[in-house]
Amino acid sequence: SQQGEEDPQALSIQEGENATMNCSYKTSINNLQWYRQNSGRGLVHLILIRSNEREKHSGRLRVTLDTSKKSSSLLITASRAADTASYFCATDASGTYKYIFGTGTRLKVLA
Amino acid sequence: NAGVTQTPKFRVLKTGQSMTLLCAQDMNHEYMYWYRQDPGMGLRLIHYSVGEGTTAKGEVPDGYNVSRLKKQNFLLGLESAAPSQTSVYFCASGEGQGDEKLFFGSGTQLSVL
Repeated sequence: SQQGEEDPQALSIQEGENATMNCSYKTSINNLQWYRQNSGRGLVHLILIRSNEREKHSGRLRVTLDTSKKSSSLLITASRAADTASYFCATDASGTYKYIFGTGTRLKVLA
Repeated sequence: NAGVTQTPKFRVLKTGQSMTLLCAQDMNHEYMYWYRQDPGMGLRLIHYSVGEGTTAKGEVPDGYNVSRLKKQNFLLGLESAAPSQTSVYFCASGEGQGDEKLFFGSGTQLSVL
């Protein structure tokens, strides 16, 4: 079974609104990463948060990590139509470099 | 600097045929991965390698074999293709310790009839 599960499976918002997606995982981790996939293309790395960090920012992205709940959230602020994509979280089980991906959240930003 | 290159981009096989997917990276990365992506399933790890000459099983290794004879190449083989292996296959590579982000290829669409 997959390590990460994203929630919601799909999200539709208006341009300018914030988008929040969540990831839950099962085992202890070294870090958690978020990736974006535009339709039919390879994944692109967005941001990495380490297990000893609680929050991280990169541009319009904000990631939080709660290791006690084994969960993370990705917030995209002031969304744009170009943010329309699928978003995946990925975790490595305690530093094994065996990266397992979740099922993804499909985000649609309406102009 | 091409990054991660997958060959071929599309392939159609008949049940029972064999084939090899090639992944090449020019970033001198230690770690390489093969994933498959099916609708609604996200990416599932097939096999991975943490260095030249090493391979390890992922979540769904059955029916696949891999080899990492050269650091820059990671080959995924299907010995006897089955319709259940119809999928999009992605290769990824990573530097490893210190910078764990992965770089992905553009994918191989494989159909097994």
